[in-house]
Amino acid sequence: GNSVTQMEGPVTLSEEAFLTINCTYTATGYPSLFWYVQYPGEGLQLLLKATKADDKGSNKGFEATYRKETTSFHLEKGSVQVSDSAVYFCALTPYSSASKIIFGSGTRLSIRP
Amino acid sequence: GAGVSQSPSNKVTEKGKDVELRCDPISGHTALYWYRQSLGQGLEFLIYFQGNSAPDKSGLPSDRFSAERTGGSVSTLTIQRTQQEDSAVYLCASSYPLAGGQLHEQFFGPGTRLTVL
Repeated sequence: GNSVTQMEGPVTLSEEAFLTINCTYTATGYPSLFWYVQYPGEGLQLLLKATKADDKGSNKGFEATYRKETTSFHLEKGSVQVSDSAVYFCALTPYSSASKIIFGSGTRLSIRP
Repeated sequence: GAGVSQSPSNKVTEKGKDVELRCDPISGHTALYWYRQSLGQGLEFLIYFQGNSAPDKSGLPSDRFSAERTGGSVSTLTIQRTQQEDSAVYLCASSYPLAGGQLHEQFFGPGTRLTVL
């Protein structure tokens, strides 16, 4: 079946630290991969996406590269800010069923000033 | 412009009662989705509408759950005979229609927090 596994939180970092949130997936065929973010008190929103192998998605200083050989889509940012504090969800859309998004369990990130 | 809206924002009900949750998608978005976010299960897909029809209902957890959409716009998710395990945040999303394998971003509403006592 299709599934997403991401590192458990919470993750607490100091401002300007380097961030990595690991994400691996299981899927048949060629899924599209996403990172969604949920800021405190706000709705879920798309952060970045990649639709084929070796694609790199990027937005707001965050990056993730679609690695088919390791079935991974790790989220990285070189220098985090307090405003990046949120819950981050790794997700995929199966090739065979583009209507649904399958989410990981989410990782809560807290950044200390 | 207006985003996806959901009502009510919070709903507290007693076990065994029926509830209706409403979703207003972004204008022009013919695809509509329901998800559930709960502590034990994370974020789960429930159902997908294209227009007024639901080609994918695979995520509905039991026959107590149903959803409809009229006029290709507003959707209602109904939970009959609510149970405590139904307590969760119910999220609605909308997007432009799926066509030719092209993927469109799903825009999420703020959710309805349902608490079953």
